Amino acid sequence: DVKVTQSSRYLVKRTGEKVFLECVQDMDHENMFWYRQDPGLGLRLIYFSYDVKMKEKGDIPEGYSVSREKKERFSLILESASTNQTSMYLCASSLGGPLYEQYFGPGTRLTVT
Amino acid sequence: GENVEQHPSTLSVQEGDSAVIKCTYSDSASNYFPWYKQELGKRPQLIIDIRSNVGEKKDQRIAVTLNKTAKHFSLHITETQPEDSAVYFCAASRGRGSTLGRLYFGRGTQLTVWP
Repeated sequence: DVKVTQSSRYLVKRTGEKVFLECVQDMDHENMFWYRQDPGLGLRLIYFSYDVKMKEKGDIPEGYSVSREKKERFSLILESASTNQTSMYLCASSLGGPLYEQYFGPGTRLTVT
Repeated sequence: GENVEQHPSTLSVQEGDSAVIKCTYSDSASNYFPWYKQELGKRPQLIIDIRSNVGEKKDQRIAVTLNKTAKHFSLHITETQPEDSAVYFCAASRGRGSTLGRLYFGRGTQLTVWP
């Protein structure tokens, strides 16, 4: 069974703080993704990575950065958190190539006050 | 880039009735169309997918149809049950190029099945 885990289920941070969200998968997947989920807006892609140290911007990369130093771990970084980054963040992974199922983590509910 | 539109945004049906969710896409190069189901408080999970060389695919009470000419695909759920209540997302993928593995998601449909 594929397992995708995220470092926290709930997180509360203050405006201006640097925030790290971590995602780990245990199935040797090449691709990893970070999404943001807001009511009525669906799943919006922030960044994705198809290999170690490789990254590609998604649709809403502004205010975020990512790091993938090891194949199993993909981190999302909010350099200076703002209240409009309050959201549910979902990580996902998939095998390399375009036609494979994405497996999602449980999500991190981030609140920025 | 690809643009996926999904309708309706909410759908309420009586238990036992059928439900249909429709999606359109813009990129004629898209060739893979999965559907994900997200129950309340849980993570999205793949329920069915279809590739561009197939017009229809069924799995028990769910089916997906694809019309490549019109660039639209639909999810059909028959004999709905309360446990079908969830948010359903359609997605499309180009399959090749720098967007390897990337899915373009619709905004989701909240399906409620009343007993």
